[in-house]
Amino acid sequence: DQQVKQNSPSLSVQEGRISILNCDYTNSMFDYFLWYKKYPAEGPTFLISISSIKDKNEDGRFTVFLNKSAKHLSLHIVPSQPGDSAVYFCAARDFGNEKLTFGTGTRLTIIP
Amino acid sequence: DGGITQSPKYLFRKEGQNVTLSCEQNLNHDAMYWYRQDPGQGLRLIYYSQIVNDFQKGDIAEGYSVSREKKESFPLTVTSAQKNPTAFYLCASSTRAGGANVLTFGAGSRLTVL
Repeated sequence: DQQVKQNSPSLSVQEGRISILNCDYTNSMFDYFLWYKKYPAEGPTFLISISSIKDKNEDGRFTVFLNKSAKHLSLHIVPSQPGDSAVYFCAARDFGNEKLTFGTGTRLTIIP
Repeated sequence: DGGITQSPKYLFRKEGQNVTLSCEQNLNHDAMYWYRQDPGQGLRLIYYSQIVNDFQKGDIAEGYSVSREKKESFPLTVTSAQKNPTAFYLCASSTRAGGANVLTFGAGSRLTVL
């Protein structure tokens, strides 16, 4: 049972344009959501997070939006740069539990 | 430099053998985790530990064992009971950043069963 879903396995975006990565979840008890970026043969690195009491969090070129009623979050990267090419995972934390549940990832390719 | 060190980076195992993957952190984090990555399946939690001498099963603990005798170390043993052990294994530790437990990951260990 996949509680966190990333339905797009891959996405290609022109350099300088906006990249939008999507994530859906089913568990209403999730209270924090995080995005991680992963290069091949490396561990994921933390990008940005959002609490369930907020609907937007921004950090430089990265913005995460949360729509609780739709159980949907998205990561916006603008402008997209070649170094953004990587696999992006969304993750969610169950309230009162320290473990994270990860989505299956979306491979983002930025086209120069 | 603070971080997480996983070893070995690559490991080959014959069927029926147990292998142990090492994970050491010098971040002074209390919690540590083991995840497994398979193509198309994201990261799945094997075991986690929130404090020394205590650990909990994750979503796919069968065929694996762990220990947490020291705060900085959380080795994972892949036993012969694990039916499909070939995968990329990631160790992580966590702190809280504004309430969210942000995981710091190691570089991973790739296990291949021959």
